[in-house]
Amino acid sequence: DAKTTQPPSMDCAEGRAANLPCNHSTISGNEYVYWYRQIHSQGPQYIIHGLKNNETNEMASLIITEDRKSSTLILPHATLRDTAVYYCIVRFQYGNKLVFGAGTILRVKS
Amino acid sequence: EAGVTQFPSHSVIEKGQTVTLRCDPISGHDNLYWYRRVMGKEIKFLLHFVKESKQDESGMPNNRFLAERTGGTYSTLKVQPAELEDSGVYFCASSQDGRGDYGYTFGSGTRLTVV
Repeated sequence: DAKTTQPPSMDCAEGRAANLPCNHSTISGNEYVYWYRQIHSQGPQYIIHGLKNNETNEMASLIITEDRKSSTLILPHATLRDTAVYYCIVRFQYGNKLVFGAGTILRVKS
Repeated sequence: EAGVTQFPSHSVIEKGQTVTLRCDPISGHDNLYWYRRVMGKEIKFLLHFVKESKQDESGMPNNRFLAERTGGTYSTLKVQPAELEDSGVYFCASSQDGRGDYGYTFGSGTRLTVV
């Protein structure tokens, strides 16, 4: 499985954009980048995923570099409810399981 | 639509006892997954069902764990006999698409404490 590297924690002011980086330098050509988050006491929640193009949905934007070795999850206007652990995951190429790392603890502060 | 439902939400059992966790996936989702996070560790994959068949059980830690999905609907995960190191949170997830291209929906988990 490709590995990902994320900063252990980040702080963000409420109302500002939160930019969460992820390195995945060993990603293979047909592996997707997924982002999930886990809010305290809940199960992981799907946010967004992409292959090589930038993606946007109602929750976030995903920016993937041209060489696909890194990506950034952007929460455009962070709220206190976005405080969570954010996981960047490269999906196992031929399987369906997700391989979770330690993630980034995002703290949104008022 | 109803989400992925897991119960019980909490379970406290003594070492050596048996516990059965249940997961009801989203209706129509053929793919069902079990994951767990033991204390201080990362979330780890346990196994994957496609309907009633085990597609991948490479993450099952040992033969004390038995997962079933009779009829391809709900699934159970039995731990027998439970050990202290089995304590943690057990998550179930389901997906409509086997490749998970539309994301996996997770339940809120069962917090298992073995004392």
